[in-house]
Amino acid sequence: EVQLVESGGGLVQPGGSLRFSCAASGFTFSSFAMSWVRQAPGKGLEWVSTISGSGASAYYADSVKGRFTISRDNSKDTLYMQMNSLRVEDTAVYYCAKGEGWNSGYRRFDYWGQGTLVTVSS
Amino acid sequence: DIQMTQSPSSLSASVGDRVTITCRASQSIRSYLNWYQQKPGKAPKLLIYAASGLQSGVPSRFSGSGSGTDFTLNISSLQPEDFATYYCHQSHGSPQDTFGQGTKLEIK
Repeated sequence: EVQLVESGGGLVQPGGSLRFSCAASGFTFSSFAMSWVRQAPGKGLEWVSTISGSGASAYYADSVKGRFTISRDNSKDTLYMQMNSLRVEDTAVYYCAKGEGWNSGYRRFDYWGQGTLVTVSS
Repeated sequence: DIQMTQSPSSLSASVGDRVTITCRASQSIRSYLNWYQQKPGKAPKLLIYAASGLQSGVPSRFSGSGSGTDFTLNISSLQPEDFATYYCHQSHGSPQDTFGQGTKLEIK
């Protein structure tokens, strides 16, 4: 059974930093791209970042480029997000999501974690 | 960036009704379109991938169609557990994915 468990969210002041993680199990982690998708309170879904299975390639939404860094440790089956220069508008539930269809081009998110809440506030 | 526009933003329907939700892309995305269902306080769940592929375990009352810029999600006979918010998601080209704003499906 595929499981994705996020941890490390919390309250941080504007301009601060936070790192959170997603522990994966139930599949060959290194074979799949992984992503972060966020949802601000009462709002819709926003794609944040994707990293390839090997970790060699990473992609970011313009809203976080230069401030957030996605990474992975395939020896630990864990995905990470390092967030710097945080803004109030980064407040959201952050979901990690397993990618499927990377090789075919028909990319989709077939499994999601339960989400971790990041609150940016003074 | 590719913009995704869903309609309607909200919809009231009854159990047993047939429902259609549409999603329009600002440029052609071929068939790189997915649909998700989200219930309050829960993570999204993949329903349809590649515009018309039914995700494993999803009931056959859900179906998707379309290509290019116009897509639809159909639910053939609404069940009580289908009342939720639905999102389209485009995955065309180099990852710069975008979602529609969501369609909230409520009980009439």
